[in-house]
Amino acid sequence: SQQGEEDPQALSIQEGENATMNCSYKTSINNLQWYRQNSGRGLVHLILIRSNEREKHSGRLRVTLDTSKKSSSLLITASRAADTASYFCATDAWNAGNMLTFGGGTRLMVKP
Amino acid sequence: DAEITQSPRHKITETGRQVTLACHQTWNHNNMFWYRQDLGHGLRLIHYSYGVQDTNKGEVSDGYSVSRSNTEDLPLTLESAASSQTSVYFCASSESRLGGTDTQYFGPGTRLTVL
Repeated sequence: SQQGEEDPQALSIQEGENATMNCSYKTSINNLQWYRQNSGRGLVHLILIRSNEREKHSGRLRVTLDTSKKSSSLLITASRAADTASYFCATDAWNAGNMLTFGGGTRLMVKP
Repeated sequence: DAEITQSPRHKITETGRQVTLACHQTWNHNNMFWYRQDLGHGLRLIHYSYGVQDTNKGEVSDGYSVSRSNTEDLPLTLESAASSQTSVYFCASSESRLGGTDTQYFGPGTRLTVL
């Protein structure tokens, strides 16, 4: 079963627009991570936010975490065609050792 | 530069055959993981290892086995391949951490087709 569930499953926007993806999870976590996967490639880590953090930035990425709602959002500002990929959230449950549980992903298409 | 590699990148096999997928990392990470990725299921954990001689079952371990004889390698074996095991397989590694896991580094994947 998946700990994280992304919403929406697919998103199509124009270059320059912002893209927001959401992730909901079920159990208490140590941290939450976001990964990107380009077509036919492995996953690449984007950003990690710890359970005691509420917001984190990295370049054009902004991640928020609301532990009371068990949800996170990933915002990509000023999107580019190169941002076209699938985005996954992954949670590290407090009692799960060093394992991550991945959601089903959001497929983002940025049209030039 | 450190990396994680998988081989082969593509494999076609027949039902009932034994198949081994290789994973090699030069990060010197203690933790290694095998996932399968199927449409509609995201990534599901097959097996994982926290160090040499340590192996553990994940969510979808039936029909798969792993062994860890050194830090760098975690081969995944399908004992008797089934069509349901047609998938894309990813290997990943991470450092050991207390109080929360670290970033996982992924290999490029192996696309396996079982006919």
